[in-house]
Parts: sequence; structure tokens; C-alpha cells
Amino acid sequence: DGGITQSPKYLFRKEGQNVTLSCEQNLNHDAMYWYRQDPGQGLRLIYYSQIVNDFQKGDIAEGYSVSREKKESFPLTVTSAQKNPTAFYLCASSKGRGPGTEAFFGQGTRLTVV
Amino acid sequence: GQQLNQSPQSMFIQEGEDVSMNCTSSSIFNTWLWYKQDPGEGPVLLIALYKAGELTSNGRLTAQFGITRKDSFLNISASIPSDVGIYFCAGQGQGGSEKLVFGKGTKLTVNP
Repeated sequence: DGGITQSPKYLFRKEGQNVTLSCEQNLNHDAMYWYRQDPGQGLRLIYYSQIVNDFQKGDIAEGYSVSREKKESFPLTVTSAQKNPTAFYLCASSKGRGPGTEAFFGQGTRLTVV
Repeated sequence: GQQLNQSPQSMFIQEGEDVSMNCTSSSIFNTWLWYKQDPGEGPVLLIALYKAGELTSNGRLTAQFGITRKDSFLNISASIPSDVGIYFCAGQGQGGSEKLVFGKGTKLTVNP
């Protein structure tokens, strides 16, 4: 079955540590995205990539980094520079612009800093 | 930047009632999308709209792309308990960017 997979579902991190969230899709989508969701808030865009080996900052990129070495994969690293990293992180992918632009989401990763 | 205002923030209804929620934007959008999110899960796409004035249904759900291209609404008819969740609107602007802008969501509670 085609889809988008995030792992792990739950993640605990000690303060000062970097952590990497995985996102894989087998939908053959060109574009991939990372969003952060906090209680009572909408989805805020962290980074996005429209093509392999290229990515752009979203609205809240500080303290995060990404890579896009393969079309299928778009991992997100939450660095120690991120001051408030506890949140629900969502990865999404889409075919492109116009019809077929619908973004499909993974199941999310809940990151908790302890 | 582009902003979406989604209302209401929350709704408490009885099973069987109809529901309506809407989104308005400060700028013109080319695409409107409606998603539903269950607790602890990723949003699931319900309806996609691409043309001004377009009215699209998906079962008991109906959504419309406003004529001005700055608004959209979602209606749910004859609500059932499994309709509970957070509904998000999302729009894509004219600038050629791939980015979607999301509303803050409408939390729906259905009392049996």
C-alpha cells in the first residue's frame, strides 16, 4: 500500500541532545513537508522540499535541520538550539502544484523533552 | 504573510444535527483543502477544491470554494459520534509556492 510513514510514534529526548525524526513515502511525490503542531494551534511549517537535494525554510525553521538525499525520504533533526522542542511533528508529501497538490500526512511523532 | 481565519474554534452538538464551519483568507487562494484530525493522528484529507464556486460532496460532507476565492465552508449533515475531531482548512495561494496555509482548526464534539 502506498503511504507516508513516520517513525517513531513517540520520542523522548534529554535537553541538549539532537534527535532525528524519520519520514518515508512511497507515493512517488516530489514535494515533502515538516509541520509542527502545538495544542490549540494550527500546523506551522518548519521546512519543505520540492525536489531532491533542495529544501527551503518554512515559518519556524530555527533550531531544525533537514536533508533530502532521496525522493522517498525527508528526515528532520531537532537540534539543541530549538528552545521549545516538545510538540507533535507531522510530515506530509504532495505530488506538486495544482490538481494533485493535496498534501497527505503521516501519523505523526510526539516528541517530549525530559 | 497569508493568514487563514477558521471559525468557530469549537462546537458542541447533538448527534443528528448539521454542522457548518468556514475559513476566510486575507488573500486569494487557488486551492482549498479540508482535513480531519483524530487525537494523536495525522490529518486526513476530506475534500479538495480547485475552482471558484465549486461545490463538492463526500458522503455527508459538503464543501464549497467561495466565489471571491477568499473563503470556503464545510458542512456536515446528520452528525454521528465518529465525526468527533479537529477539522482544518488549508489553502494554497497564487504565488506558485508549494506551501499550504492552515487554519487553527475547529474542534467538534458530538454528544450521543
